[in-house]
Amino acid sequence: EEQLVESGGGFVQPGGSLRLSCEASGFAFNTYSMNWVRQAPGKGLEWISYIWTDEVYYADPVKGRFTISRDNVRNSLFLQMNSLAAEDTAVYYCARDRAFVFDLWGQGTMVTVSS
Amino acid sequence: QSALTQPPSASGSPGQSVAISCAGTSSDIGAYKYVSWYQQYSGKAPKLIIYDVDKRPSGVPDRFSGSKSGNTASLTVSGVQAEDEADYYCCSYGGRHRWVFGGGTKLTVL
Repeated sequence: EEQLVESGGGFVQPGGSLRLSCEASGFAFNTYSMNWVRQAPGKGLEWISYIWTDEVYYADPVKGRFTISRDNVRNSLFLQMNSLAAEDTAVYYCARDRAFVFDLWGQGTMVTVSS
Repeated sequence: QSALTQPPSASGSPGQSVAISCAGTSSDIGAYKYVSWYQQYSGKAPKLIIYDVDKRPSGVPDRFSGSKSGNTASLTVSGVQAEDEADYYCCSYGGRHRWVFGGGTKLTVL
């Protein structure tokens, strides 16, 4: 079964850092581009980052603060989040990208930024 | 990029057809065929139900259909059923490996 499982979420103070992980299984991880999408409580979905080999892109709200990376040996995707603010509070999903479509999603991991 | 515009709510009685609109711009919906729709139940991850404007992944009921005209896309649920009550999000590729989502529409089955 194709699956994505996120981890690493939690509670962090403003200005703090957190590293999210997403472990893939059941498919050839190294042949897909991957993304992070977040959803603030009660709000809609927001694309935040994309990675394919050494090509990375970010949405403006996270550019310069978040870093996406991947380890194809460990079938894992990562999101390093620095300088966190209250507006970064959200469920963070990793999503597989197949021809510009998010066809497989993880269950999400919650990040809460609060003092 | 600004979010795509969806109505916050839509409703229909069982068996009725319900359409949800998604308004974008000439830089996203109007520029690409990569419009997709996602169904999300409360507390769950989104699920792809329509891709490339009007294609359905395997396993998605054929009562779900998609279309696009100019800068606006639409999702139609023909013969809505109780299990279709969920939030629905449109999404468009916006170029340069960036995507934009709609604000979501809560579908209520009366």
